[in-house]
Amino acid sequence: KNEVEQSPQNLTAQEGEFITINCSYSVGISALHWLQQHPGGGIVSLFMLSSGKKKHGRLIATINIQEKHSSLHITASHPRDSAVYICAVAPLTSGTYKYIFGTGTRLKVLA
Amino acid sequence: NAGVTQTPKFQVLKTGQSMTLQCAQDMNHEYMSWYRQDPGMGLRLIHYSVGAGITDQGEVPNGYNVSRSTTEDFPLRLLSAAPSQTSVYFCASNNRGRSRGYNEQFFGPGTRLTVL
Repeated sequence: KNEVEQSPQNLTAQEGEFITINCSYSVGISALHWLQQHPGGGIVSLFMLSSGKKKHGRLIATINIQEKHSSLHITASHPRDSAVYICAVAPLTSGTYKYIFGTGTRLKVLA
Repeated sequence: NAGVTQTPKFQVLKTGQSMTLQCAQDMNHEYMSWYRQDPGMGLRLIHYSVGAGITDQGEVPNGYNVSRSTTEDFPLRLLSAAPSQTSVYFCASNNRGRSRGYNEQFFGPGTRLTVL
C-alpha cells in the first residue's frame, strides 16, 4: 500500500463545476504540498500547509492532521485547470528532507 | 530570477553510455533534489543535498551519482545508462522552513531521457 494515496485517479468535469481531489497518507507529517503538473510537463507549487486551510484564487486546500487527509478544491473550474494534481508529504520520521509523492489526479475540464 | 533550470530538455542514449544532467538554481536555496517520474508512479527521490558539499541518497539512487560543489549547481550523473533509466527527471530546490516545516519546492522543467 502506498503511503500517499490520491483519489480519484482521473476526473473529467464540465466547465464551472466544483471539483474536489483527495489525498490520504499513512505517516506522521510536518507538511503537505499540493503541486500542479501542466500538460507540457512543468510542475508548480500550489500550496504548502501543515494545518487548517489555505485559499488562493479559485483554489482551496484543507488538511486534517488527525485524520491524515487533505483535500484540494477548485471552484468554478475552467479548461485551463486541466492538469495533473500531485499531493506530497514531508514525513516527520525521515529526519531529513525527503518528500513522498502521490501518483497524481489527472483532471480534464471540458468547455 | 531564472528559478531552477535544467539541461538538456531531451536526450537519447545508448545502453552503457554516460551523461550528466545539469541543474542550477539562482534563489540561494539550501536544499536541492533530483527526482524521476515514471508512468503510474509518483515522483521518486534519487539523490538530494542539504547544502554545498553535502549529498545523500534517496529512494532510488542506484546507477546515479551527484555532487554539490556550489550552492547553485547540482548535476546528476548516469554512470552507465540502462533502459530502466528511461524516465523524466526533475530537479527541485527549496529552503528550510522557518520552524520544523519545509518551504515549497521549485521544480525545473524536466529532462526526458530515453535509453535504447
